[in-house]
Amino acid sequence: QKEVEQNSGPLSVPEGAIASLNCTYSDRGSQSFFWYRQYSGKSPELIMFIYSNGDKEDGRFTAQLNKASQYVSLLIRDSQPSDSATYLCAVKPGRGSTLGRLYFGRGTQLTVWP
Amino acid sequence: GAVVSQHPSWVICKSGTSVKIECRSLDFQATTMFWYRQFPKQSLMLMATSNEGSKATYEQGVEKDKFLINHASLTLSTLTVTSAHPEDSSFYICSARGRNEQFFGPGTRLTVL
Repeated sequence: QKEVEQNSGPLSVPEGAIASLNCTYSDRGSQSFFWYRQYSGKSPELIMFIYSNGDKEDGRFTAQLNKASQYVSLLIRDSQPSDSATYLCAVKPGRGSTLGRLYFGRGTQLTVWP
Repeated sequence: GAVVSQHPSWVICKSGTSVKIECRSLDFQATTMFWYRQFPKQSLMLMATSNEGSKATYEQGVEKDKFLINHASLTLSTLTVTSAHPEDSSFYICSARGRNEQFFGPGTRLTVL
């Protein structure tokens, strides 16, 4: 069973703060990790991906991966009200899964209040 | 990122009718596409994996005779909801597999009266 767990939230932070979103996964052979943002009533939008241990930064977003701990996180610096959405963690497993299939967490709802 | 379109964006139909949803990858070829369903305030649920030129792979509990999938070309997959009922009302989202990522279409909101 390939499970992806996220703290469901809701997570509420003030504007300008750092929002920290966490995700753990069960398949130790997992290769690739993705963060999607989903606004209410819309489809998911890819915002970050990370393949190697460590940090990856893209603008206000930083993805962190620790394969030994089977943990991936997303930090959003200088949070804005427009960041308010549900953030989905997705994991591409190692062997034994449908080609290209991703396993999604249930998502963390983030609210940034002004 | 790559562009994936879906058509229609929303549809209302009567119970018992069939509805076809198209998913297109506009600027890349996708040998694999995925169909998801999402009920309000719930997580994405993978329904099936669509492979160009072969039969779709359905997830456990998804009726393949009710949700017909055709992946006729490298840029087009279709999902047909046959004999739709009110409980089929949901947000249907397709995605196309790129090099490593999945890119989602904008979704189709289906309402069955």
